[in-house]
Amino acid sequence: GAVVSQHPSWVICKSGTSVKIECRSLDFQATTMFWYRQFPKQSLMLMATSNEGSKATYEQGVEKDKFLINHASLTLSTLTVTSAHPEDSSFYICSAETSGPSYEQYFGPGTRLTVT
Amino acid sequence: AQSVTQPDIHITVSEGASLELRCNYSYGATPYLFWYVQSPGQGLQLLLKYFSGDTLVQGIKGFEAEFKRSQSSFNLRKPSVHWSDAAEYFCAVAAPTGTASKLTFGTGTRLQVTL
Repeated sequence: GAVVSQHPSWVICKSGTSVKIECRSLDFQATTMFWYRQFPKQSLMLMATSNEGSKATYEQGVEKDKFLINHASLTLSTLTVTSAHPEDSSFYICSAETSGPSYEQYFGPGTRLTVT
Repeated sequence: AQSVTQPDIHITVSEGASLELRCNYSYGATPYLFWYVQSPGQGLQLLLKYFSGDTLVQGIKGFEAEFKRSQSSFNLRKPSVHWSDAAEYFCAVAAPTGTASKLTFGTGTRLQVTL
């Protein structure tokens, strides 16, 4: 149980375009979802926290107009990278928890984004 | 602000040998502490966590960790490593008083297991 999926697992897009990444909790309802960014050989950096039906809370330094997060249902959150640039290339990981703060996060396998 | 340090970027051990991965944290009080493992193509999996109580915590896959307040450490151990333990290991902390369980991760330790 407690499986989180991400789609796509990898994506290549051209500079200036937008790309959407989906995060789904497959067998539980996620009241809170988190989006992280991981650079090669580096740690996971929390980008934002989203609660179902409300606006996401972004961490300091994260551009909310560039990284649009929508948590429309208890099983789906999406991250849209708008007007992507090569520096947005990274590994994006989502996680979900059943009720917060439970400190029991379940992580998706991640999405590799490459912007050319 | 809380922070996590994992001093060892890469560790190589022989299968069957013991393992200790180091983790030090910086926080005003005792945070909640976690160890996660990340394998290629899979999401981070929680190995164990410490909130309070017994400072020696048992986790899955034969792992354990010991919280030492005086050293601000939460080192991960395993008495006998298996080849399947090769992966990236992350220590993480969370503020126990937050309204959301926001995790701060260390930079990770890559474990290589030789046969």
